[in-house]
This record gives sequence, C-alpha cells and structure tokens, in this order.
Amino acid sequence: EIVLTQSPGTLSLSPGERATLSCRASQSVSSSYFAWYQQKPGQAPRLLIYGASSRATGIPDRFSGSGSVTDFTLTISRLEPEDFAVYYCQHYGTSRWTFGQGTKVEIK
Amino acid sequence: QITLKESGPTLVKPTQTLTLTCTFSGFSLSTSEVGVGWIRQPPGKALEWLALVYWDDDKPYNPSLKSRLTITKDTSKNHVVLTMTNMDPVDTATYYCAHSPWSTREFDYWGQGTLVTVSS
Repeated sequence: EIVLTQSPGTLSLSPGERATLSCRASQSVSSSYFAWYQQKPGQAPRLLIYGASSRATGIPDRFSGSGSVTDFTLTISRLEPEDFAVYYCQHYGTSRWTFGQGTKVEIK
Repeated sequence: QITLKESGPTLVKPTQTLTLTCTFSGFSLSTSEVGVGWIRQPPGKALEWLALVYWDDDKPYNPSLKSRLTITKDTSKNHVVLTMTNMDPVDTATYYCAHSPWSTREFDYWGQGTLVTVSS
C-alpha cells in the first residue's frame, strides 16, 4: 500500500510570496497518475494539476507541478488571497486511489 | 458541461445501511472511457477514496472497506449508487462523487458533497 506524506502540515505565508508544497510517496509511483487538489472550507476539492505537471482547465499559470518517482512538488509562484486553502496530493495505482493528509496554506 | 450531485440521507443510525445516489450529466457511463468514484471526508480530516465504477462495469474498491461497499451504475438514469453496510459513528463524513477520466485517473469534476451523520 502506497502512503503519501505531505509536508509541511501548515505553511504560513503572505500574499505575493512563493509557496512550495511537498508530497512524498512511500514507494516509486507513476507520475502519469499523480494529481493535486485545492479545497476551501465548505467546498468540494478542485483539481489543479494532473499527470504531475499538467494544469487542469481554467487553473492559473501561477500553479505548477513537478516531480517524479517518490517526490512531487506543487508550487504557487505568487500567492493570491484566494489561494489560501488546503492542498491535497493524490495518486492512482493498482486499482486504488490514495490521498495525502493535506497541507494548509494560511495567511501569515 | 459535466455536473454531479449527491443525494441520500443526512442521518443514519449505527448498524444501518447507507445508500447514496450520484446523479450526473454531461457525459455517459455507457460509452465514454470514464469512471465515477466516491470519496469521503470526515469533518476536519483528509480525503479517502471509497470505490469507483468504470464505463465497462469494472469496480475497484478501497480494500479496507471492500466488505462493506457496493457500487452500481444505472446508465439509463445517469445514476451511480453507493451502499455502505453496518454504519458506525466513525463513518460520519461528507461523501463526494466525482468524474474520473480513464486515461489519467484523476478526479476532475466533483459533486458538492453530502454530509452524512451516523448517530443513534
């Protein structure tokens, strides 16, 4: 069973700053099936990145994904006020989907 | 335009069976290479994938919950139904259904979610 560990648990930053979120898999995974989501309070998750680095429809280019094997990163180049939220990584493999525990990006 | 919406009881008693329906539009589960999955989220906690049904009726389940789950599709009604038996207070969560393209396996469209509370 693959475990996804996200770090840090909470990231305190100011608008305009760069955010770097990490997701580490417990074993090698396919980047083709790796995704990132954003979730705001009271809302459903929203797909940001799929295939480790492809932006979903309508996602601003300040969001970018990278990584492979066991280490994946979501970068927000310049935080906008609407970007403060919880972010989840997710992987598909061997007929199961796994989510990380989430990183909260909060206003400093 | 793809939309999904969950419906079902908001309150169930311990040991009862939960039945949730996902009603979707904008795609077909009979001809497209897609799936519809269920994901839940206990209050203040992370997302947990439960089950998914593909257009070809393949049905992967979360191994830790497999014995309690059944997922079915009704392509004529554009419905996907999830049943979960022997409900417990720890199953209290918001339950989401979501669309997943077979080629890339992410969840690209989500329903709004429905909060299910398990309490006597």
